[in-house]
Amino acid sequence: NAGVTQTPKFRILKIGQSMTLQCTQDMNHNYMYWYRQDPGMGLKLIYYSVGAGITDKGEVPNGYNVSRSTTEDFPLRLELAAPSQTSVYFCASAKAQAGYTFGSGTRLTVV
Amino acid sequence: KQEVTQIPAALSVPEGENLVLNCSFTDSAIYNLQWFRQDPGKGLTSLLLIQSSQREQTSGRLNASLDKSSGRSTLYIAASQPGDSATYLCAVREEGGSEKLVFGKGTKLTVNP
Repeated sequence: NAGVTQTPKFRILKIGQSMTLQCTQDMNHNYMYWYRQDPGMGLKLIYYSVGAGITDKGEVPNGYNVSRSTTEDFPLRLELAAPSQTSVYFCASAKAQAGYTFGSGTRLTVV
Repeated sequence: KQEVTQIPAALSVPEGENLVLNCSFTDSAIYNLQWFRQDPGKGLTSLLLIQSSQREQTSGRLNASLDKSSGRSTLYIAASQPGDSATYLCAVREEGGSEKLVFGKGTKLTVNP
């Protein structure tokens, strides 16, 4: 049982480049989330989805986009990367009203 | 707006001590509270999940309690070991459309041999 799988684990981007962080889950969870974690700042919600075809913004959505075409996949797109997007990104999934399962994270550096 | 506070921010104890980590939240409209462990440079490992209708959960040397009405939770670690050294995060799952998880900033625990 793979749970939540994130790729890549590490990535270095140059300012202005774009990339997609992949997230897939095999637990048939309706709810999926993207968080970023910065030192001393805790985890902040970027985007979330309550089901295939439905997405919405979290606390810090600027500079990011998402899509949810299937229940399993919830990719996060970074357009025109900026140094402020240097962070660790976590994807998570959950059933309604239940506990979350997190992926192992993607460590992104923008230089 | 839901706010989650964890006290203390850091804690250093000798091996073998029993210890308590505290978590408070401002809005009691939650489905559950989850305690996570995070090792340096690693992901989040779920330790205990307490549903809003429950008072406590236990797993091995860990016991977590929840007082939803007062907005408090504690994580009790018995007979601490150096391998328990990590950051412990408390998070509440909000009621409502997003059912998002709101995190505290964590307690960094160091257990000294």
